[in-house]
Amino acid sequence: DAGVTQSPTHLIKTRGQQVTLRCSPKSGHDTVSWYQQALGQGPQFIFQYYEEEERQRGNFPDRFSGHQFPNYSSELNVNALLLGDSALYLCASSLISLDRSNYGYTFGSGTRLTVV
Amino acid sequence: GEDVEQSLFLSVREGDSSVINCTYTDSSSTYLYWYKQEPGAGLQLLTYIFSNMDMKQDQRLTVLLNKKDKHLSLRIADTQTGDSAIYFCAESFLGGYQKVTFGIGTKLQVIP
Repeated sequence: DAGVTQSPTHLIKTRGQQVTLRCSPKSGHDTVSWYQQALGQGPQFIFQYYEEEERQRGNFPDRFSGHQFPNYSSELNVNALLLGDSALYLCASSLISLDRSNYGYTFGSGTRLTVV
Repeated sequence: GEDVEQSLFLSVREGDSSVINCTYTDSSSTYLYWYKQEPGAGLQLLTYIFSNMDMKQDQRLTVLLNKKDKHLSLRIADTQTGDSAIYFCAESFLGGYQKVTFGIGTKLQVIP
């Protein structure tokens, strides 16, 4: 049973460019959350998608956008890249129960984005 | 507001117990988690505890929760070199439907 799959694993972009990161959730999961982990820091919540809609958003600018597809996979798009966007981007999937609770995420290994 | 604080570094000898501490500020937190991150990898959920519990034991792992002081700890018994990693304390309300707030992580170094 495959876990959470992210692609690509590494990416180098130039300041001002746009980037798309992809995530396939664990089989049976219906919710995808994206996190940014800067070097030496804990993951910071970007947003969460459920039923193809953004359900909650962290403190990130509109340059960060996303999408969830009918098969539950998701994309994270970042426009007008800044040097400070260099980080490990983690995708986490989960299954939302009827009472909107679960017991934690399953994380992918992440995409390492370097902006030069 | 939400904030999770951890010490940055812990060094222990192989075979000893490790205790990693965390404080959180969100009194509405329902779930408290411990995640492990090995170099170059994503985060692995080690264990979790509901905020109505005081303790949870899972093999070598023991989680203690002091709700009054908003203090969470993770004890690893008989620490092995394979336990060397970064450990993140995290909190959330209503589980995965809400965002999970992570601490900065505690780097555990196990000396052979």
